[in-house]
Amino acid sequence: QVQLVESGGGVVQPGGSLRLSCAASGFSFSSYGMHWVRQAPGKGLEWVAFIRYDGSDKYYAVSVKGRFTISRDNSKNTLYLQVDSLRDEDTAVYYCAKEQHVVFQLWGHGTLVTVSS
Amino acid sequence: DIQMTQSPSTLSASVGDRVTITCRASQSISRWLAWYQQKPGRAPNLLIYRASTLESGVPSRFSGSGSGTEFTLTISSLQPDDFATYYCQQYNSSLWTFGQGTKVEI
Repeated sequence: QVQLVESGGGVVQPGGSLRLSCAASGFSFSSYGMHWVRQAPGKGLEWVAFIRYDGSDKYYAVSVKGRFTISRDNSKNTLYLQVDSLRDEDTAVYYCAKEQHVVFQLWGHGTLVTVSS
Repeated sequence: DIQMTQSPSTLSASVGDRVTITCRASQSISRWLAWYQQKPGRAPNLLIYRASTLESGVPSRFSGSGSGTEFTLTISSLQPDDFATYYCQQYNSSLWTFGQGTKVEI
């Protein structure tokens, strides 16, 4: 079954950190670029980060650059997002997505990150 | 950065209606434009990529057109399952951005 399953979300205080994970199955994970996209409660979609299939290139949205780090372990079919120095405005559902045709072709169900004191 | 502007923000329609949503880019993006459907509490679902290519499994009542800075998503005959929020998304220079969304409601 082709799917992406995120985990690692939770409630964290401002300035705190979390590591989000995305487990891939049913496709050749090591052949595809992967993204993180987030959605604040009641708001639209915001692209967060991208990593090339082999980890050789990484790109970030301006809003998270320097605070978030995307990585992957192709031996474990897993994508990660290390989120540091969290702010109130980082509260969102975080989705991982498989890239094909330079778009988000397959999405996970999301994991909720809540930044609150 | 390229900004994407969708119109309208909300659209009221009935089953069977022909519906058109517009997405404008702040600068030319050639045909690097995709459309997604999102239902409440669910992840988005890819409908169309490269402006007009229908993703596998997406009903043929969905179609996309445009190039450069102006794009449209058309639903030829609105079905009950189509009431949702629709987002456009562009790719340019290793940055991806979404429009603000269009909610299609009864």
